[in-house]
Amino acid sequence: EVQLVESGGGLVQPGGSLRLSCAASGFSFSRYWMNWVRQAPGKGLEWVANIRQDGSEEYYVDSVKGRFTISRDNAKNLLSLQMNTLRAEDTAVYYCARGPDIAAAGLNWFDPWGQGALVTVSS
Amino acid sequence: EIVMTQSPESLAVSLGERATISCKSSHTVLYSSNNKNYLAWYQQKPGQPPKLLIYWASTRESGVPDRFSGSGSGTDFTLTISSLQAEDVAVYYCQQYYNIPITFGQGTRLEIK
Repeated sequence: EVQLVESGGGLVQPGGSLRLSCAASGFSFSRYWMNWVRQAPGKGLEWVANIRQDGSEEYYVDSVKGRFTISRDNAKNLLSLQMNTLRAEDTAVYYCARGPDIAAAGLNWFDPWGQGALVTVSS
Repeated sequence: EIVMTQSPESLAVSLGERATISCKSSHTVLYSSNNKNYLAWYQQKPGQPPKLLIYWASTRESGVPDRFSGSGSGTDFTLTISSLQAEDVAVYYCQQYYNIPITFGQGTRLEIK
């Protein structure tokens, strides 16, 4: 069974840092682009970042550029999101989602999605 | 950035009736080189992650009931549920994957009338 399990969420003060992880299983992790997508409480979906299979390409939404870094460890089937200089508006459930095996810039639909990790930025 | 606009924001339909959701993009999502529309639809039920329903604007994901269908091309798309079932109550999102940043519509909440 293909499975994505996020961890590392929690409460952090504005300006602080947090690192999310996503453990992948049930598929050949190193073959796929991977993504982070977030959803603020009661709001819609916002794509955050993606990373190529070998980590050689990364793309970000403008609102997190320079603050967030996506990375992966193919040996451990692990996707990560390092979030620095956090703001109240970063409060959201963060989902990891699988992308394509072959597509320029990882442009593709997302399937499957993990259950999400809640990040709350508040003093 | 391609802006995706869904309408209506919420919709109430009787059981067994048709539900139609519109999604418009601010830029075409049709690649002329392969004649494919880079658009997907998702269903999200409360407390759950989104679930992929349709990709390439009209290709149903494996296991999705055939009462769900997608249509449209270029900048105008539609998700249709031909006969609404109780389990279809959810929020529905369209997504363009034509370029970066990948963007979603704001969502349409579907309820039973």
